[in-house]
Amino acid sequence: AQSVTQLGSHVSVSEGALVLLRCNYSSSVPPYLFWYVQYPNQGLQLLLKYTTGATLVKGINGFEAEFKKSETSFHLTKPSAHMSDAAEYFCAVSANTGGFKTIFGAGTRLFVKA
Amino acid sequence: EPEVTQTPSHQVTQMGQEVILRCVPISNHLYFYWYRQILGQKVEFLVSFYNNEISEKSEIFDDQFSVERPDGSNFTLKIRSTKLEDSAMYFCASSELEDNQPQHFGDGTRLSIL
Repeated sequence: AQSVTQLGSHVSVSEGALVLLRCNYSSSVPPYLFWYVQYPNQGLQLLLKYTTGATLVKGINGFEAEFKKSETSFHLTKPSAHMSDAAEYFCAVSANTGGFKTIFGAGTRLFVKA
Repeated sequence: EPEVTQTPSHQVTQMGQEVILRCVPISNHLYFYWYRQILGQKVEFLVSFYNNEISEKSEIFDDQFSVERPDGSNFTLKIRSTKLEDSAMYFCASSELEDNQPQHFGDGTRLSIL
């Protein structure tokens, strides 16, 4: 079975500061890992994904994440926050366990202060 | 870029009534999914569908729920006798291949049960 834990339901940063959203996962088989962003009253937009290969993955809008198997982590970072980054961020995992359902974390709401 | 489209964007229904939520997945995608997000909670997997049959379902997906691909383009979720606790945002998703491909999400249908 898979699970995802996002540390911190709310994160607040100043504009221009580093963004760090934490995600730890559990999976009995090699996982595929994703970060999605959700703006108010909108759907889920894929930011980036890790499947195989390079453990540092780059996504849209300047975000990146690093897969660390030893730490079972997949933290999302962005060097410099922008006001438009304010949204809800979901870490997610899927794996071949007879199906490829995606399991989502509880989400982290990012606030960006001017 | 191709999108998953969902209709309606908001559905208001009396408790006990049947409701059908509609989705048009991306045209060359083969795997289809429904997820639910109760207000303020995380996104939860409901069901996956491939080759005209359910491939996996969660414990949430009880006998009140059914899915169908009535033609070559639509994918529907039916709730037979709605309950207050069915009020949520319902997301449809599709993916081209099952393994390691991110699921593309629609903008969701907000279902409100009165």
